[in-house]
Parts: sequence; C-alpha cells; structure tokens
Amino acid sequence: QTVVTQEPSFSVSPGGTVTLTCGLTSGSVSTNYFPSWYQQTPGRAPRSLIYNTNTRSSGVPHRFSGSILGNKAALTITGAQADDDSDYYCVLYMGSGISVFGGGTKLTVL
Amino acid sequence: EVQLLESGGGLVQPGGSLRLSCVVSGITFSSCAMSWVRQFPGKGLEWVSVISGHGIDTYYADSVKGRFTVSRDNSKNTLYLQMSSLRAEDTAIYFCARTEYASGWSGDYFDYWGQGTLVTVSS
Repeated sequence: QTVVTQEPSFSVSPGGTVTLTCGLTSGSVSTNYFPSWYQQTPGRAPRSLIYNTNTRSSGVPHRFSGSILGNKAALTITGAQADDDSDYYCVLYMGSGISVFGGGTKLTVL
Repeated sequence: EVQLLESGGGLVQPGGSLRLSCVVSGITFSSCAMSWVRQFPGKGLEWVSVISGHGIDTYYADSVKGRFTVSRDNSKNTLYLQMSSLRAEDTAIYFCARTEYASGWSGDYFDYWGQGTLVTVSS
C-alpha cells in the first residue's frame, strides 16, 4: 500500500523561508496527483491553502506557494510569520475518487 | 457565508452504529461534491468518503468500505454518513468538507470544512 509521506516536524525563524514536502513511499509525485495543502491550528478545522499543485485558495497570502520539487510536492512559506505556526497536511489524489492524506508536518516558528 | 455544521457524534460501543449529519448553507448544495474526513486522536487526518452532487457516485477509503455509507438529501442540504460495525480505531473527529475538482472530475480538494463532530467507540 502506497503511503503519503511528510516530514514530522520542521522549524523556521520568523521571516525565514521553509519548504515542506509530500512524497510517496513508492513512486514520484507529479501534477497528475493534483497535490493540495491544508493548514490546521489546534482545535480548528483544516484550512485549504493550495490545490492543483500551485493554485492558492481564496484569501491565502502570497507567501504560501506550491510546486513539484524533484519527486515530491512542496509547500514553501516565504517570510514565515508567527501565526504560520501550525500543522500542515498534503493530500494526493490517487484516482477513482480516492484521496490520501499525508501524516502532517508540525511547523514551529521560533 | 458558507457554513457546514456536523452533528450526530457521540459514544458508541464496538460493533454499534451511528449516523452523522452535515447541514450546509451558503452554497448550492446539489451542485457540490461532498466528503467526509476524519481526524484521529493522534492528530492524523484520513479521507473517508466522497459523494457526487447528484448522489450517484460514491467512493470510500479501504478502511471503511463495506461498513460506512455516505448519502445526501439535496432537498435538505444535508450530507450523511451511516457508520456500522464500528471499531475502536474509528474513534475520531469527523469533518464534512465541500469537495471541488482541480480538473474535470479529478483532483479532489476540500475548500470548505465544518468544525467536526467527535465519535468515540468504546465499551
């Protein structure tokens, strides 16, 4: 069974740049998986950040961007702010109506 | 304003059943695919199921296939998840989410979410 992988944790300094990745235990992530990204803070529902690899959802700041880097999907935060301290999840579309979440990355801004 | 409000969660014994509801407002519900996503106590998210706007097409994660059934009543702007043969590992917060397509009928993503309802499976 293919698993979607993410870094368990990451840290970034305020104003810094960080790239979180989303991979597969078997194979490479491409745009054909339509990667999407979600931000979640404790006690809240997830918030859509990026869909279709690199399209920002409504109201999402430009400091969030999505891409394919090598064989993984990537979420880059440029100029991290304190309220970016959150959990981040990627989702890959596997076809036939099936979506799979990654395990999530806990991002600490300090 | 788009609002999704889940209800129906609670404590249920292993092997029991429960039906979750999600009432949606602020969007044309019948035009929207809808998904259920759950979050385990350890925080990981898992996609559970999706249903098309007209309710004909449904898909499930392997972990719930044969035990959970998604349905909708477009006249009531309501999404349902009928859960049966519940197991301890089904304990989670269950979110409903509007599902859009990145391309054609593919590339599902979830742009609006409810606040979730907690399901606890325990004896």
